Amino acid sequence: DGGITQSPKYLFRKEGQNVTLSCEQNLNHDAMYWYRQDPGQGLRLIYYSQIVNDFQKGDIAEGYSVSREKKESFPLTVTSAQKNPTAFYLCASTDLGTETQYFGPGTRLLVL
Amino acid sequence: QKEVEQNSGPLSVPEGAIASLNCTYSDRGSQSFFWYRQYSGKSPELIMSIYSNGDKEDGRFTAQLNKASQYVSLLIRDSQPSDSATYLCAVNYYGQNFVFGPGTRLSVLP
Repeated sequence: DGGITQSPKYLFRKEGQNVTLSCEQNLNHDAMYWYRQDPGQGLRLIYYSQIVNDFQKGDIAEGYSVSREKKESFPLTVTSAQKNPTAFYLCASTDLGTETQYFGPGTRLLVL
Repeated sequence: QKEVEQNSGPLSVPEGAIASLNCTYSDRGSQSFFWYRQYSGKSPELIMSIYSNGDKEDGRFTAQLNKASQYVSLLIRDSQPSDSATYLCAVNYYGQNFVFGPGTRLSVLP
């Protein structure tokens, strides 16, 4: 059953804590993306990666970090430098042949 | 700065009517265009993709693209209450990044 999985579904962060959001895909897509969505807002690009061991900053990369050690995995770390992390985080991957982007189910991050 | 604009809505239509959702984009180099549906609290799901000028139909959905006017639209025929959601327009530039519009909230009234 092919698709994109994200975990956890909900994540709580304490002040000063780093947290990592998981994203895995078995679609054999080369490109992967992280977006942030705030209530009533559109999607904003955090980071993207088009190939293993390479990634680029998006529009709102400050306070976030990523790695791409495997084609299937693109974890996102929300660092303590991100002062307003409460949001819905969406991972996506792209079929470069059809230029179509597919989304995982999302992780909702809340601050305690 | 590449931009994609949509009316935020809400757009309210009665059940069985045609819902018309509109999107404009700023960069003439845009190559491919997508409509996503997002239910409250869920992730976006792909409805339609369109790559060339004209209409593309899939069931009750029709996407329309006019590159000269930098305009893409989505028509939903025989609207159902289950179509009530936010519809996101997305534009892909040269196979690189996607730019998403803010979304239009559609409410189909029974």
